[in-house]
Amino acid sequence: QSALTQPASVSGSPGQSITISCTGSSSDVGGYNYVSWYQQHPGKAPKLMIFDVNKRPSGLSNRFSGSKSDNTASLTISGLQAEDEADYYCSSYTSSRTLVFGGGTKVTVL
Amino acid sequence: QVQLQESGPGLVKPSETLSLTCTVSGSSISSYYWSWIRQPAGRGLEWIGRIYLRGSPNYNPSLKSRVTMSVDTSKNQFSLKLRSVTAADTAVYYCSRDVGSTHSTPWGQGTLVTVSS
Repeated sequence: QSALTQPASVSGSPGQSITISCTGSSSDVGGYNYVSWYQQHPGKAPKLMIFDVNKRPSGLSNRFSGSKSDNTASLTISGLQAEDEADYYCSSYTSSRTLVFGGGTKVTVL
Repeated sequence: QVQLQESGPGLVKPSETLSLTCTVSGSSISSYYWSWIRQPAGRGLEWIGRIYLRGSPNYNPSLKSRVTMSVDTSKNQFSLKLRSVTAADTAVYYCSRDVGSTHSTPWGQGTLVTVSS
């Protein structure tokens, strides 16, 4: 299975909105509404931010939102804050009943 | 509160078998899918596979020939065995709880396994 495609880096100023894309195929992202997003700070374990394309775990900030169109999913962070600086990974369920991750995107707050 | 903790040798010799255990607290291991994910230093996440007590495991096709996962309900643990390891298997290994087999939360803190002679 091929990794999903994410931009290597995205940056924005505090208060701005940024969007991270995640492109797959009809066998994963496009075929199921099972895209999730994870945030990972250096030296820490990943943390679930979005699941099932656009659902937030209980207690998570509504500054994080997800969407999907065809084979591309997106994570939007609005009102960018310093603590949002981290690596972000998308993941999708696949037609083989496996999971596949994207290569990761480094978010920098300028 | 669900917590997961990985344990196992931090150093494995090439061609040998990597063995890790994940101890689960705050959740019955019989009720969910459980996954292993790894991350080489400075690189992205790679899904290794998942196991469910009452079903067949699912493995990453690229690792399937070398991977075995199992569950021990008496200890509320699940395990990973990766055979014939090489330096390319050096990574931080995470265990996690799969929800609906579609996303993972929470994750263990991760354990570094180095393959070297």
